[in-house]
Amino acid sequence: IQMTQSPSTLSASVGDRVTITCRASQSITWLAWYQQKPGKAPKLLIYKASTLESGVPLRFSGTGSGTDFTLTISSLQPDDFATYYCQQYNTYPWTFGQGTKVEIK
Amino acid sequence: EVQLLESGGGLVKPGGSLRLCCAASGFTFSSYTMHWVRQAPGKGLEWVSSISAGGNYIYYGDSVKGRFTISRDNAKNSLCLQMNTLRAEDTAVYFCSRVDDYADSAFDSWGQGTLVTVSS
Repeated sequence: IQMTQSPSTLSASVGDRVTITCRASQSITWLAWYQQKPGKAPKLLIYKASTLESGVPLRFSGTGSGTDFTLTISSLQPDDFATYYCQQYNTYPWTFGQGTKVEIK
Repeated sequence: EVQLLESGGGLVKPGGSLRLCCAASGFTFSSYTMHWVRQAPGKGLEWVSSISAGGNYIYYGDSVKGRFTISRDNAKNSLCLQMNTLRAEDTAVYFCSRVDDYADSAFDSWGQGTLVTVSS
């Protein structure tokens, strides 16, 4: 299953509402979102498309079903500048999107 | 506290072998499917391999199938990845991670990663 994220890069300001999309090449149920900062391991944000991982701020939310999914950050904070990946764990081989880098505008 | 600590990375020549291991602590290791995920320098994440809690179910990505072997020792809380016939494109940071099969979750904990460099 191929995962396609858009955009590849996003420039935004603190306080902005940010939306990242992820499209799967076939219908899936199990989708996760991760945040990764340079030199660090990824951090799980959302699983099963819309369930917020424990400890993750409420400004992060996930929606979608079937082939189209969205990660939204309601009000971008300085700590949120990072790269975000979607990942399907519906079918092996598990696959990731190519990533979306959120940069400071 | 959940901890995953990878080891075994380093510089190896093309065609060579390397064995990575991941020491787990802070959770019931034998209850989790374990995975290896890698990230080439400046690139995205790539799932490599997984092994079920009891070791009965094993999967590999197409790019490593036939060259890499995943294994685990539940008595020692250890996960390993034997990498043979290494290629330049295997150069990456290798992370171990876990999945709770009963929680609908994904990779909820990760190690810090170990760098494998394949170069002559």
